[in-house]
Amino acid sequence: KQEVTQIPAALSVPEGENLVLNCSFTDSAIYNLQWFRQDPGKGLTSLLLIQSSQREQTSGRLNASLDKSSGRSTLYIAASQPGDSATYLCAVRAQGGSEKLVFGKGTKLTVNP
Amino acid sequence: EPEVTQTPSHQVTQMGQEVILRCVPISNHLYFYWYRQILGQKVEFLVSFYNNEISEKSEIFDDQFSVERPDGSNFTLKIRSTKLEDSAMYFCASSGEGARQPQHFGDGTRLSIL
Repeated sequence: KQEVTQIPAALSVPEGENLVLNCSFTDSAIYNLQWFRQDPGKGLTSLLLIQSSQREQTSGRLNASLDKSSGRSTLYIAASQPGDSATYLCAVRAQGGSEKLVFGKGTKLTVNP
Repeated sequence: EPEVTQTPSHQVTQMGQEVILRCVPISNHLYFYWYRQILGQKVEFLVSFYNNEISEKSEIFDDQFSVERPDGSNFTLKIRSTKLEDSAMYFCASSGEGARQPQHFGDGTRLSIL
């Protein structure tokens, strides 16, 4: 059974700092991995999707990497801003035809001005 | 940018009552999903729907749950006889054709069972 873990559970940084959020998964047979942002009481906003054949994806100040064989992904946020404060979730989709995403519990990021 | 919309944003219901949560997926998407998030816990998959039938469901999605696409735009989740433990945020999601497409989520319906 696929398990997704995100460490740390919470992170507080000063504005302007570069930071890395970690995601690990137990079964490397994944189809893709998706990073989301969740603001309090809100839905999930898709940030980046990495296919299993890819090593990284970039969108603006965000860069996500994937090492499928070791079961790890990182989300790098450059030059953090207070508006980046949110919970960041990663989710994996397994190979073999399953459509469901299996989520981690998330990392709650606070960027202090 | 097209988005998934859900109504209502908050639903309060007495235990044992039926509840219907509504979703309008992105218009050209073909795959539809329901997930839920109990307060403080992970987002959990409930069910996926494609070509007018359930394509996958989790252990949570028992006989008390059903989904329907009553017309070309809406996608609903019905809980027949609600329990206290059904209290959660319910998210609808949709995705385009092909496994390489991302899933896009709505803002959720907060369901509170009294």
